[in-house]
Amino acid sequence: DAMVIQNPRYQVTQFGKPVTLSCSQTLNHNVMYWYQQKSSQAPKLLFHYYDKDFNNEADTPDNFQSRRPNTSFCFLDIRSPGLGDAAMYLCATSRDKGGLYEQYFGPGTRLTVT
Amino acid sequence: AQSVTQLGSHVSVSEGALVLLRCNYSSSVPPYLFWYVQYPNQGLQLLLKYTSAATLVKGINGFEAEFKKSETSFHLTKPSAHMSDAAEYFCAVSVATGFQKLVFGTGTRLLVSP
Repeated sequence: DAMVIQNPRYQVTQFGKPVTLSCSQTLNHNVMYWYQQKSSQAPKLLFHYYDKDFNNEADTPDNFQSRRPNTSFCFLDIRSPGLGDAAMYLCATSRDKGGLYEQYFGPGTRLTVT
Repeated sequence: AQSVTQLGSHVSVSEGALVLLRCNYSSSVPPYLFWYVQYPNQGLQLLLKYTSAATLVKGINGFEAEFKKSETSFHLTKPSAHMSDAAEYFCAVSVATGFQKLVFGTGTRLLVSP
């Protein structure tokens, strides 16, 4: 089945220690998104790639960066995680289908910062 | 700009009772509307979507929603709740032109009691 895969599902990192979260997709979608979701809140878009073009949301902290080496993979790098960065991180993909960019979500990576 | 309001952060129903989750949207242009479900420690799964084809939209797991332009609403219903419906539900809106980003509501947690 075509899908969005996130690894690892659970990640523990130390305060200030860089961490990378991974997302891959077999849907061949040209758009990939990263969301941050804190407990009992809605997902918040951090950035997205439209093909190779990176689009940062205005309020995304500089501490968060992303790489997309090819169509299938996208990485979220947190350079110096703080306690406030503990959250679920969701990857999603989409493509233009008759004018609709329906988003498909991965299972998420839950990040704990100690 | 688009926005979504979900009335009620928690909704409790008995198994077999009607489920009604409310969503009102604001959009200056024709919207696309979505309902997503999220189970604990999982990603978001699309329940159904409105893309202007039909105002009554049927989705997975017996859910449906009706788009009412005059009321700017897109409420989610299910005739008979099942224990497995207990989850977080998010309503989301995007614009029906060009590239779209989702704007999520704050979510409603559905609790189902035996």
